[in-house]
Amino acid sequence: DAKTTQPPSMDCAEGRAANLPCNHSTISGNEYVYWYRQIHSQGPQYIIHGLKNNETNEMASLIITEDRKSSTLILPHATLRDTAVYYCIVRVAENNAGNMLTFGGGTRLMVKP
Amino acid sequence: DAGITQSPRYKITETGRQVTLMCHQTWSHSYMFWYRQDLGHGLRLIYYSAAADITDKGEVPDGYVVSRSKTENFPLTLESATRSQTSVYFCASREGAASARIDTQYFGPGTRLTVL
Repeated sequence: DAKTTQPPSMDCAEGRAANLPCNHSTISGNEYVYWYRQIHSQGPQYIIHGLKNNETNEMASLIITEDRKSSTLILPHATLRDTAVYYCIVRVAENNAGNMLTFGGGTRLMVKP
Repeated sequence: DAGITQSPRYKITETGRQVTLMCHQTWSHSYMFWYRQDLGHGLRLIYYSAAADITDKGEVPDGYVVSRSKTENFPLTLESATRSQTSVYFCASREGAASARIDTQYFGPGTRLTVL
């Protein structure tokens, strides 16, 4: 799986958009970008994933650059409950359960009132 | 409620004792996983299961035993607990081969285990 680089921490004002960047310059053509988050004392939670095109769901939007070397997770209206560690994971989506999810350091997002 | 649950949520035990952590999911997902999370190591895969009666080792299987007699349950047993097994344990599940392109795992709330 390609290595990812994320800033260790970010702050965001409540109600504003939170833009979390992720660099994955060594990504290969068949690797997807996944985002998970982990709220304190809870299990990781899937947010969104994408391959080439931008994606949006009820939780967030994922913007992937044309060269696919970086991406941005956007929480359009951050709330205090979005305070968590956000993990960007790049991996081949294949039917290999032994290929475990590898969570790096992630970005600790603090949403402030 | 539908979803993935773990029990107990908190457990304190002594070195040498046998401990079983339970995991139950209601989605009929084929795949189930056990991870442990420690400071400085992130999430590490202990064991996983592709279906009932099919299990395999992950990155850190030593000292653990799993079974999967039913699709919905995936218990993790520490046969003789050691202090190094003090950790937070997460169970996860995902859909099977038909949805393999979407590698989305759903995690339980975790079990915080302390071995004295």
